[in-house]
Amino acid sequence: RVLTQSPATVSVSPGERVTLSCRASQSVSSNLAWYQRKPGQSPRLLIYGASTRATGIPARFSGSGSGTEFSLTISSLESEDFAVYYCQQYNTWPFTFGQGTRLENK
Amino acid sequence: EVQLLESGGGVAQRGGSLRLSCVASGFPFANYAMTWVRQAPGKGLEWVSTISSASLSTYYADSMKGRFTISRDNSKNTLYLQVTSLGAEDTAIYYCARGIFTYTNMGPFDVWGQGTLVTVSS
Repeated sequence: RVLTQSPATVSVSPGERVTLSCRASQSVSSNLAWYQRKPGQSPRLLIYGASTRATGIPARFSGSGSGTEFSLTISSLESEDFAVYYCQQYNTWPFTFGQGTRLENK
Repeated sequence: EVQLLESGGGVAQRGGSLRLSCVASGFPFANYAMTWVRQAPGKGLEWVSTISSASLSTYYADSMKGRFTISRDNSKNTLYLQVTSLGAEDTAIYYCARGIFTYTNMGPFDVWGQGTLVTVSS
């Protein structure tokens, strides 16, 4: 399953709302996760099951979608949210990641 | 504290082999599927391989089949990744990660190690 994320880069300001997209080449049901990756840090699981926040993830992060279309929304960006975000499907082997969306500070 | 600690990275010769290790602590290692993910310089995350909790099943990315071998020793709380015929394309940070759900191979990864850097030189 190929995952295509869009946009590749998005420039936003703190306090703004942003939505990132992930499209699967075939249905992955709701077996989709989102990760945050900051320089020098390991990836961090944000969302799984398309919409369930992982332990300790702030409520400003939300996920939605099923089948082939998914989105991650950050309701009000904080400075620590500038990072690269990846979606990942775990519905079918081989598991795959999207190519990532970079969130930049405008 | 739940923790994963990788080791075994470094500079390796093209055509050579290496074995990466990941020691787990703070959770019942034998109850969880474990995974290797890598990230090459300037590239995105790439799923490499997953092994079931009791080593009954292993899964590999298509491009990794044949050169990569995942294994684990539950008595030592340790995950391994053996890589042979190293090429420049294998230069990456290799992360071990834990599946979020117990006793299932299908699921995202909720605990990650800090990564170990492998550099393949000619």
